[in-house]
Amino acid sequence: GAGVSQSPRYKVAKRGQDVALRCDPISGHVSLFWYQQALGQGPEFLTYFQNEAQLDKSGLPSDRFFAERPEGSVSTLKIQRTQQEDSAVYLCASSSRRSDEQFFGPGTRLTVL
Amino acid sequence: LAKTTQPISMDSYEGQEVNITCSHNNIATNDYITWYQQFPSQGPRFIIQGYKTKVTNEVASLFIPADRKSSTLSLPRVSLSDTAVYYCLVGASSGYSTLTFGKGTMLLVSP
Repeated sequence: GAGVSQSPRYKVAKRGQDVALRCDPISGHVSLFWYQQALGQGPEFLTYFQNEAQLDKSGLPSDRFFAERPEGSVSTLKIQRTQQEDSAVYLCASSSRRSDEQFFGPGTRLTVL
Repeated sequence: LAKTTQPISMDSYEGQEVNITCSHNNIATNDYITWYQQFPSQGPRFIIQGYKTKVTNEVASLFIPADRKSSTLSLPRVSLSDTAVYYCLVGASSGYSTLTFGKGTMLLVSP
């Protein structure tokens, strides 16, 4: 079956632009996570949804970062007024209610010039 | 959250068994040990999870001593395609749980 998909795969933005990154989780997966991965580092948690409820946003680095999952399926991570330090790969993962594992998408590589 | 320590990198040759050890001295009673694998330009992929003793699946084995302060991921007869970064994570088992990744171990398999 289809895995987690993310779009776009690559995004180049000029500093100050707003960007929106999309995640399509595996159908029926209740939990959805966003992670940020800087070059040479492991992924770092940003935010977590259970269905449409955002239960944890403690990892969002600033108020320029906003995530939503209005219908409990597709999620969008929005970054306003992008800065160079926002350059990273943004990973989305989903899991089912009784799963021991998270299924990751391929990520979106964001480059801010 | 329990902190993990694992080697930054390891080298191996095709056909060899590779063992990657992870230290987690302050693991909590209800923590599980989980390993993920990540190839370049891909998201991490679950390999194996265990709580104690030994767990084996079609990909790898996970050895956990009685004190659970360390664990060893064993990859039998590696191939070039096993070249990847391997992450050791410690925490709750549920898919609800936020994963805390370290820097991982970069395994390079040569011909």
